[in-house]
Amino acid sequence: GQQLNQSPQSMFIQEGEDVSMNCTSSSIFNTWLWYKQDPGEGPVLLIALYKAGELTSNGRLTAQFGITRKDSFLNISASIPSDVGIYFCAGRDNNAGNMLTFGGGTRLMVKP
Amino acid sequence: DSGVTQTPKHLITATGQRVTLRCSPRSGDLSVYWYQQSLDQGLQFLIQYYNGEERAKGNILERFSAQQFPDLHSELNLSSLELGDSALYFCASSVGGHQPQHFGDGTRLSIL
Repeated sequence: GQQLNQSPQSMFIQEGEDVSMNCTSSSIFNTWLWYKQDPGEGPVLLIALYKAGELTSNGRLTAQFGITRKDSFLNISASIPSDVGIYFCAGRDNNAGNMLTFGGGTRLMVKP
Repeated sequence: DSGVTQTPKHLITATGQRVTLRCSPRSGDLSVYWYQQSLDQGLQFLIQYYNGEERAKGNILERFSAQQFPDLHSELNLSSLELGDSALYFCASSVGGHQPQHFGDGTRLSIL
């Protein structure tokens, strides 16, 4: 089946720093999504991308749908303590129904 | 608050037992998805229903089954429970298949 490799697995950064994480796939996706999960809660949708090359922002977050349709990245600018959590990428393949394939997550820790 | 409601939040039971997890989708959403999140497997798609009909199946065990009722709420039934079934079970919903999925806060299942 499809595999999503998400990196890095974890990051420990200073408040105010920019953060970058990415996902790569062995096959193409039609939609890329980025979610954030806090302890005891479900994943919360941050950004959805629908077209190859698309660059979308949500506040301090920016994500891009790779041209090859096999990758996506998420940037967080000027990190703050509440950015702490686990970030997941997810891809959807139109030919595989509507299921989402998730990356393994990036655990972000921010030092005030 | 995503608008997706899952009950119960926690469930503790013993091996060999059967449990039912319940999900109420966001108002207006016709699609319901079930995912399992475990430490070793990450977030894995189990099954999708759309307006009462099964639409897609993922890595769902034969001991597990689901259904979506006319009022669009869904239930996930897990039977002959094993220690390895301990995990977080998430429900997500979307308007249609190609729309972003919004997750509930999950049910934490612990098998003793």
